[in-house]
Amino acid sequence: DTEVTQTPKHLVMGMTNKKSLKCEQHMGHRAMYWYKQKAKKPPELMFVYSYEKLSINESVPSRFSPECPNSSLLNLHLHALQPEDSALYLCASSRTGGSGQSYEQYFGPGTRLTVT
Amino acid sequence: GDSVTQMEGPVTLSEEAFLTINCTYTATGYPSLFWYVQYPGEGLQLLLKATKADDKGSNKGFEATYRKETTSFHLEKGSVQVSDSAVYFCALSDQGSGNTPLVFGKGTRLSVIA
Repeated sequence: DTEVTQTPKHLVMGMTNKKSLKCEQHMGHRAMYWYKQKAKKPPELMFVYSYEKLSINESVPSRFSPECPNSSLLNLHLHALQPEDSALYLCASSRTGGSGQSYEQYFGPGTRLTVT
Repeated sequence: GDSVTQMEGPVTLSEEAFLTINCTYTATGYPSLFWYVQYPGEGLQLLLKATKADDKGSNKGFEATYRKETTSFHLEKGSVQVSDSAVYFCALSDQGSGNTPLVFGKGTRLSVIA
């Protein structure tokens, strides 16, 4: 099973709302990622978690707050977003290895976020 | 830093035509190379991969060969179908650590007409 699930599929929120995106995988992967994808663009990396610890934060505004409560779950908490934050938010996971090894990432279907 | 350059689209082909989407890369290390496909309204799916020079990745009739001498990983398919219409992303992951983020090309939109 190479499935990564994401909920909700669609989300509309106002600029004062607080909402959360959820991601789950049961492949035993210990690396999980959040990406943001605007229309007709490639995904842009936001955060990387490795063994449930945040290892990369690509200078993402603090209105996006990631959380990795366990090895299967990844959340993205949203607060006071701006209309320009409207995008497809993708979660991915991968195996981890030592230096010299790279593994493919498996993506979820994404959450289509609209900020009004 | 690492980068991926792929041919600009959109590419429009008739059904059963031959497909080539060019991809070249620059990397400081020895990267793994990937092709991902994104169908309308969906996430990215891994199409194929190659982890060392001269490796050929293949899946669903698509192929790509890791060419270190030309730093290329061109995607090919001998006979495209309407169902292949999607956006194709070339990507690399430098083999520096086990959770190295992907570096994507800009994507190539393919439309196949019957």
